[in-house]
Amino acid sequence: KQEVTQIPAALSVPEGENLVLNCSFTDSAIYNLQWFRQDPGKGLTSLLLIQSSQREQTSGRLNASLDKSSGRSTLYIAASQPGDSATYLCAVKGGAGSYQLTFGKGTKLSVIP
Amino acid sequence: NAGVTQTPKFRILKIGQSMTLQCAQDMNHNYMYWYRQDPGMGLKLIYYSVGAGITDKGEVPNGYNVSRSTTEDFPLRLELAAPSQTSVYFCASSHGTDKETQYFGPGTRLLVL
Repeated sequence: KQEVTQIPAALSVPEGENLVLNCSFTDSAIYNLQWFRQDPGKGLTSLLLIQSSQREQTSGRLNASLDKSSGRSTLYIAASQPGDSATYLCAVKGGAGSYQLTFGKGTKLSVIP
Repeated sequence: NAGVTQTPKFRILKIGQSMTLQCAQDMNHNYMYWYRQDPGMGLKLIYYSVGAGITDKGEVPNGYNVSRSTTEDFPLRLELAAPSQTSVYFCASSHGTDKETQYFGPGTRLLVL
């Protein structure tokens, strides 16, 4: 059974710092990996989607990497801002034809002005 | 284009009561999903549907039922509510191709007392 772990569970950084969030998964036979953002009381917003054949994806100040063989992904946030404060969830999708996303518990990020 | 909408936003149920959580999407997505998120935990898939008239169980289907009579709507039915069903419920949809992300609704917070 696929398991997804996110470390750390919570992170507090001063505004302007670069930071890295970590995600690991136990079964490397994934189809893709996604990073989501969740604001309090809100739904999830997709940030980046990395297919299993890709190594990284970038969107603005966000960069996500994927090392499928080692079962690891990182989300790099450059020049953090208070508006980045949210919970970040990592999710992996099983092989082609699998409909289920397996989620980690998330990392709660606080960016202090 | 409203995306994925869910009603109600919040509901308190007594043990043994029943209710239906509503979900609708206006993106003409074939695939729809129901997840639950318990405090401090990742999301777990309850049921999913690959098109009108077709539904299947996810990881945690016990105590729930679904139907999909139209492309747009995917209601989740709770029969005989139990305290263990206290959670936040998210509906999501996607085109269904493996390369696409899922779009999430804002969630329904359910408290069973």
